[in-house]
Amino acid sequence: QLQLVQSESEVKKPGSSVKVSCKASGGTFSTYVISWVRQAPAQGLEWMGGIIPIFDRADYAQKFQGRLTLTTDQSTDTVYMELRSLTSEDTAVYYCARGGGGVNWHYRQFYFYHMDVWGNGTTVTVSS
Amino acid sequence: DIVLTQSPGTLSLSQGERATLSCRASQNVNSSYLAWYQQRPGQAPRLLIYAASSRAAGIPDRFSGSGSGTDFTLIISRLEPEDFAFYYCQRYGTSLLFGGGTKVEIK
Repeated sequence: QLQLVQSESEVKKPGSSVKVSCKASGGTFSTYVISWVRQAPAQGLEWMGGIIPIFDRADYAQKFQGRLTLTTDQSTDTVYMELRSLTSEDTAVYYCARGGGGVNWHYRQFYFYHMDVWGNGTTVTVSS
Repeated sequence: DIVLTQSPGTLSLSQGERATLSCRASQNVNSSYLAWYQQRPGQAPRLLIYAASSRAAGIPDRFSGSGSGTDFTLIISRLEPEDFAFYYCQRYGTSLLFGGGTKVEIK
């Protein structure tokens, strides 16, 4: 059964960047969408974007366009989430999650389904 | 942009009682692309329901989902101790969007 194991917690300064990893083991990974969802303290869930490892193509929520980059290393079944220009409002737990989906190549548009496997979460604290 | 509004914000019930959670979309949700997740404190979310009414693997049958269009409901028929948690609805499609969540707490 697929497991997603994320990297350890990070403390970052405002203005810096953070890169969080999500490593898959025990199941199918590369043909699914790996999404990133974050949760600020005592807040709800916020979708950031998703990547399909086999295509190495990503789609981002409008809020994070230009500041977020998702990449993949298929040799190690790992997806990376890099968020730049951090502020205190980026303090949150960041989750990766596997879901269905794909790309409608005719319209060059991603589509996403529900997420059935979640990572263990990575706490990112942004503080001066 | 579509907005998902969950109500109530908090539901105070006793073990064994029935919980009814609502998720209302500001626009029609295509083909029932609506999921429900449970999140216990300190844990990652867990998929309960997808396609509005299909239970995910391993989810007890006391959880049921219904609805279409703009109005969706999650029902927990008899609350067990482990069911006191947060619940989020999610619309999927060309992007992913979560509702604000409902907390089910012990009365």
